[in-house]
Amino acid sequence: NAGVTQTPKFRVLKTGQSMTLLCAQDMNHEYMYWYRQDPGMGLRLIHYSVGEGTTAKGEVPDGYNVSRLKKQNFLLGLESAAPSQTSVYFCASRLDRDGQPQHFGDGTRLSIL
Amino acid sequence: GDSVTQMEGPVTLSEEAFLTINCTYTATGYPSLFWYVQYPGEGLQLLLKATKADDKGSNKGFEATYRKETTSFHLEKGSVQVSDSAVYFCALSFNTNAGKSTFGDGTTLTVKP
Repeated sequence: NAGVTQTPKFRVLKTGQSMTLLCAQDMNHEYMYWYRQDPGMGLRLIHYSVGEGTTAKGEVPDGYNVSRLKKQNFLLGLESAAPSQTSVYFCASRLDRDGQPQHFGDGTRLSIL
Repeated sequence: GDSVTQMEGPVTLSEEAFLTINCTYTATGYPSLFWYVQYPGEGLQLLLKATKADDKGSNKGFEATYRKETTSFHLEKGSVQVSDSAVYFCALSFNTNAGKSTFGDGTTLTVKP
């Protein structure tokens, strides 16, 4: 059972560089989410998607873009990385039914120098 | 808006001690309630859930009861082990809101032998 898989697991970038984080789920979930986790800040929702071809802004969307071209994949892009984007990024997915939990990947640890 | 308030940590206990982590919520309507656990270097995992008032969720010796009258979902375990050391998150969600979850800030538990 792969569940939710995030790649890469670690990355170091220089300020101004761009990159894409990939999230893949094999559970046929409709809903997918990107969070960032920072010490003392809890989990903050960046963007989310309710199905293939849809995306919506979460709590902290600035500086990020997302795409959901295929149901199983949800990509998070940083166009011009900034040190404030140093964080641990988590992807999650969920069935479109009442009472369902979110299923999380193991995270991508991103450092921007 | 919706909110979840968790007992502040960190919490340090000796092995076999009784654990309570308090969680209260504010929401319009009756959400589903969850406890997630995060071990070092990993993503959040569902620990237990309850979807309606008076439901009791249980797993791995942990329990929590959905109390509508006090809007609470406190996590308890009768005898903790060193392996229970982790960060615990309380959360709520409504399926009608794209399944988005509102998370507490997390409580770090350390169990000493």
